[in-house]
Amino acid sequence: DSGVTQTPKHLITATGQRVTLRCSPRSGDLSVYWYQQSLDQGLQFLIQYYNGEERAKGNILERFSAQQFPDLHSELNLSSLELGDSALYFCASSVGLLGLTGELFFGEGSRLTVL
Amino acid sequence: DQQVKQNSPSLSVQEGRISILNCDYTNSMFDYFLWYKKYPAEGPTFLISISSIKDKNEDGRFTVFLNKSAKHLSLHIVPSQPGDSAVYFCAACLNFGNEKLTFGTGTRLTIIP
Repeated sequence: DSGVTQTPKHLITATGQRVTLRCSPRSGDLSVYWYQQSLDQGLQFLIQYYNGEERAKGNILERFSAQQFPDLHSELNLSSLELGDSALYFCASSVGLLGLTGELFFGEGSRLTVL
Repeated sequence: DQQVKQNSPSLSVQEGRISILNCDYTNSMFDYFLWYKKYPAEGPTFLISISSIKDKNEDGRFTVFLNKSAKHLSLHIVPSQPGDSAVYFCAACLNFGNEKLTFGTGTRLTIIP
């Protein structure tokens, strides 16, 4: 158990819809990262927040947005969903900018299926 | 543009033998490298890392080797155990403390009893 909690674990929705994925980081971790893993792909970095502020941005689509709240939990909002958005979405956290040894702690992921 | 590449999607190794997983990268600015291990239905977990100032880092059965001139790193697991069966991701970042990890596509390792 990494201490990172993601909800929901599974989500099935239709094209054009909007969903919100939620992440609670490990206690004490200030950084939250979102990654997307599509079929047979590596983890693609989407966005990172540090203590409520956006810190780094990857290849995140304009239809996607995220935020980190004062209690440090984060939400990833995906709108106007397309079939290609079907993927595993991972949240990860670290103590500081990249932890003491450089590792991130990942949640179990939210599997999104768009039909 | 895949800056971190794991060209072997899968690898099978006999229990007790050495497993060698390979990773190549194209960005010479990468300064810190990590290996993550992922079991089904779980998130990736950190395994071992190496800074570009080193060429080897060892932690128990796991050793990571870095060849900067070849832009290549490898993970050696010896002896391999059934519990090592998982998907292994190589990752890199521009410098320690940099937020963005670039991951490879992963290698599925199967240890044969």
